[in-house]
Amino acid sequence: AQTVTQSQPEMSVQEAETVTLSCTYDTSESDYYLFWYKQPPSRQMILVIRQEAYKQQNATENRFSVNFQKAAKSFSLKISDSQLGDAAMYFCAYRSRYGNKLVFGAGTILRVKS
Amino acid sequence: GAVVSQHPSWVICKSGTSVKIECRSLDFQATTMFWYRQFPKQSLMLMATSNEGSKATYEQGVEKDKFLINHASLTLSTLTVTSAHPEDSSFYICSARTPNTEAFFGQGTRLTVV
Repeated sequence: AQTVTQSQPEMSVQEAETVTLSCTYDTSESDYYLFWYKQPPSRQMILVIRQEAYKQQNATENRFSVNFQKAAKSFSLKISDSQLGDAAMYFCAYRSRYGNKLVFGAGTILRVKS
Repeated sequence: GAVVSQHPSWVICKSGTSVKIECRSLDFQATTMFWYRQFPKQSLMLMATSNEGSKATYEQGVEKDKFLINHASLTLSTLTVTSAHPEDSSFYICSARTPNTEAFFGQGTRLTVV
């Protein structure tokens, strides 16, 4: 079974600074998807970024980018120019290419200081 | 983006009664819907996966007789918590996807059993 590990329960970042959230995963599969989801205080889950395992190029979405290291099974999220609205719980998630289920990590609470 | 609407957003019920939560995909036909439970500051725990027109597949440890899931149409799934008890109080989240999209999440339902 696949597992996703987020080792940082909480992180803090100063507004306008950069922060990196860590995620590692374990799988025996070669083809899969990885995701970062944001859950703000409203608790609405929002997809931040998606990475396809067979693509070597790291995904980026505006201020959000990932560092995908397939061999190391690592998938970190970098948030540049942090904003107050980035404060949320962030979940790393895994899905098999042909599967339905998302496997979530424990989450990282990100606090943004003004 | 696609919208998944969950209703109600919050509900209080008396111990021993049943409560129904609805999950609707507003602008797409969801072949698969998922129900999660989330405790404060914790990750999402998958309860069950439902495909339209067929019985839900429950995760290990989830009581199917207590958490009744119906996916009668491509746009509606319901979760009924039967004979609710205070320990069932939690935040319940649904998500929906098609074979060609990632999962979109509802805004969640906070259930309090008194």
